[in-house]
Amino acid sequence: KQEVTQIPAALSVPEGENLVLNCSFTDSAIYNLQWFRQDPGKGLTSLLLIQSSQREQTSGRLNASLDKSSGRSTLYIAASQPGDSATYLCAHGGATNKLIFGTGTLLAVQP
Amino acid sequence: EAGVAQSPRYKIIEKRQSVAFWCNPISGHATLYWYQQILGQGPKLLIQFQNNGVVDDSQLPKDRFSAERLKGVDSTLKIQPAKLEDSAVYLCASSFWNSPLHFGNGTRLTVT
Repeated sequence: KQEVTQIPAALSVPEGENLVLNCSFTDSAIYNLQWFRQDPGKGLTSLLLIQSSQREQTSGRLNASLDKSSGRSTLYIAASQPGDSATYLCAHGGATNKLIFGTGTLLAVQP
Repeated sequence: EAGVAQSPRYKIIEKRQSVAFWCNPISGHATLYWYQQILGQGPKLLIQFQNNGVVDDSQLPKDRFSAERLKGVDSTLKIQPAKLEDSAVYLCASSFWNSPLHFGNGTRLTVT
């Protein structure tokens, strides 16, 4: 059974700090790894999608990496801002774009 | 572009009652998904459509849940009869094939 684990479950940092969120998965048959952001009471917003043939993707202050052999992905956020406060979810993408989600990391960036 | 539209935003029902949720995907997106997100958990896929055909419904409790996507555009998800454990946020998403998903804001269901 495919499992996706995210560590830590919650994280609080001061504004301006760089931080790393971790995601691990058990199924190496991965087509893509996706990172999402979820604000309270809202749906999910796609941040980055890494195809299985790629090692990393970057968008602005965000950088996501994928290591299929170890079953790990990381999301790096540079120079964090209070507006980055949200829950961050990673998802293992299978052949039909079926996503298996982790339980998320709740991030609070203190001004 | 207009996003994924869902209604209603909130619904409170008693157990054993029925309820229906509606989703209108982004124009041109052939793939539509319904996810269930229980408080404190990540979303779980209930059903995935490609146009009006079902790609995956392996985690849909078919004794009480049903979904349809007529004409390959709008979709409805129904629960009949509802149980207490169905209390969750029901998220609809759409995408082009194998592309990032776009989610609606969800319907928060409370079963009392």
